[in-house]
Amino acid sequence: GENVEQHPSTLSVQEGDSAVIKCTYSDSASNYFPWYKQELGKRPQLIIDIRSNVGEKKDQRIAVTLNKTAKHFSLHITETQPEDSAVYFCAASAEGYSTLTFGKGTMLLVSP
Amino acid sequence: KAGVTQTPRYLIKTRGQQVTLSCSPISGHRSVSWYQQTPGQGLQFLFEYFSETQRNKGNFPGRFSGRQFSNSRSEMNVSTLELGDSALYLCASSKEAGGLWGEQFFGPGTRLTVL
Repeated sequence: GENVEQHPSTLSVQEGDSAVIKCTYSDSASNYFPWYKQELGKRPQLIIDIRSNVGEKKDQRIAVTLNKTAKHFSLHITETQPEDSAVYFCAASAEGYSTLTFGKGTMLLVSP
Repeated sequence: KAGVTQTPRYLIKTRGQQVTLSCSPISGHRSVSWYQQTPGQGLQFLFEYFSETQRNKGNFPGRFSGRQFSNSRSEMNVSTLELGDSALYLCASSKEAGGLWGEQFFGPGTRLTVL
């Protein structure tokens, strides 16, 4: 089955800096890669996703890049703000399946 | 549109007991997935139901089971509870559009504590 590795497990940055979280996956059939943000005590919420026919996708301060050959994808957050502090999860799934395999999460702490 | 709801929000049980958790998906969503979230293991997939059928199952023992009703509501059951079953249990619903599965919307979770 699919295995998703996520790094780093914790990331501390200063407000205004950029943050990068990286994930690798094992199943070449995977073609849908969402990123979820989970604030303390709250449910995970989708922040951005990418499908394998696209190499990069941006939404304001957030971007995701995908390298299918190397089987890795990354989340980039620019101009970080304290409210970006949360746990971020990457995930992968294959065409036609709604099941997600998650990475173990990255705790991002943005200090003012 | 109402979001995904889960009941109960908190449960305290003792070892050996069984528990049933409920999930109501967003109206129109026919797929319901269940995940176990623990600090050490993150989000682990339990099973997924679509049209009252289990389509996928994660690597959990047979003590974990589930079902889906005709209105897409889903329940999961854990029998013979163990201390290690203490976790946040999340369900998520999604719908298909043009052959592709869209965003999974998560419920608030049920916090299960096994004493």
